[in-house]
Amino acid sequence: DGGITQSPKYLFRKEGQNVTLSCEQNLNHDAMYWYRQDPGQGLRLIYYSQIVNDFQKGDIAEGYSVSREKKESFPLTVTSAQKNPTAFYLCASSSGRGGYEQYFGPGTRLTVT
Amino acid sequence: GESVGLHLPTLSVQEGDNSIINCAYSNSASDYFIWYKQESGKGPQFIIDIRSNMDKRQGQRVTVLLNKTVKHLSLQIAATQPGDSAVYFCAETSGYSTLTFGKGTMLLVSP
Repeated sequence: DGGITQSPKYLFRKEGQNVTLSCEQNLNHDAMYWYRQDPGQGLRLIYYSQIVNDFQKGDIAEGYSVSREKKESFPLTVTSAQKNPTAFYLCASSSGRGGYEQYFGPGTRLTVT
Repeated sequence: GESVGLHLPTLSVQEGDNSIINCAYSNSASDYFIWYKQESGKGPQFIIDIRSNMDKRQGQRVTVLLNKTVKHLSLQIAATQPGDSAVYFCAETSGYSTLTFGKGTMLLVSP
């Protein structure tokens, strides 16, 4: 899992509550990413950030929000507007200087009931 | 662990066999490709990459082949071991920033 940490490993929330997933990296990477993974599917990009204080929507950004106030941190908030939030969430980072390889954290399993 | 393998294409091999996992990509402009391995309950791990100016690249026990004519990528694992059991994803990009991931193939290795 390299130098990327995600916490907690498992998270349980009631429907209608917002929840924030943590992602921290000590790789000095400029770019960070959030993906969602559902059973039997590949990774789908939620949001990404190439530099501090800037981020872009990915393919499935609706119902999610992010911030990038520090280079090391890229928290993801799953809002009550997300229709089907239960999933495995993966954070990744890359050097962002023409380095396409992304390093992944261990993931957070979110269950909303 | 996390059940990421439901309904995925599955390749079952015996320990010691060679394994070949295939991936078709759709973007002819893609110029960089990566193979990742994901064990149950963990994040994906980088295995090997290849740029579009190459058609073959070898690592330790793994080889990636790229056929740009038919937009096909394959991962060959030599002398497959039980520890190789995982879901394998290919990913592609046509430039700086984001990767597009395939749906994955589950590799099951029997002792």
